[in-house]
Amino acid sequence: AQSVAQPEDQVNVAEGNPLTVKCTYSVSGNPYLFWYVQYPNRGLQFLLKYITGDNLVKGSYGFEAEFNKSQTSFHLKKPSALVSDSALYFCAVRDLLRGYSTLTFGKGTMLLVSP
Amino acid sequence: DTEVTQTPKHLVMGMTNKKSLKCEQHMGHRAMYWYKQKAKKPPELMFVYSYEKLSINESVPSRFSPECPNSSLLNLHLHALQPEDSALYLCASTRDYNEQFFGPGTRLTVL
Repeated sequence: AQSVAQPEDQVNVAEGNPLTVKCTYSVSGNPYLFWYVQYPNRGLQFLLKYITGDNLVKGSYGFEAEFNKSQTSFHLKKPSALVSDSALYFCAVRDLLRGYSTLTFGKGTMLLVSP
Repeated sequence: DTEVTQTPKHLVMGMTNKKSLKCEQHMGHRAMYWYKQKAKKPPELMFVYSYEKLSINESVPSRFSPECPNSSLLNLHLHALQPEDSALYLCASTRDYNEQFFGPGTRLTVL
């Protein structure tokens, strides 16, 4: 089975500073990787994905992620954090469950951006 | 239309009640999912529907009963729930079995 790991429960950053939320993966074959964000009492919002191609993926709200095959990582980044970026972030990998496509999520990382 | 809608937003029910959650998408997606999410935890897969057919049931108790009346609509019927079933219930759909698009969820409280 495919899996992703998010090593940090929480990341704290000051507004205006760059942010990184870490994700590593373990897959057989080529990974299909995703980032989602969840604001309080809301559903998950899709941010970006890596399927194939350029290792630097750009997504919504100024976020980007770098796919690194040698380090099996897919870290989420943003050059300048906003207070409104404070939310719960999930990394996910596509998996096949009894022949059907599903997502396997990491445990989540809470991002807190201070003013 | 590029969204998944869910109703109701909030639901409070007793352990003897029967209620239903509704999920709708008009993006032509042919796979739809139900998830259960506890606070600050990742979503847990419950059911997968593919082309309106129940494809995966992740050992969900029979007090949860899914239904897919058509390709745009997904229901989750609830009966005799337990307090530990209180959670955020999320619906999602996918066009190409890659990224899934989630609805806002139904916050369920079982008394």
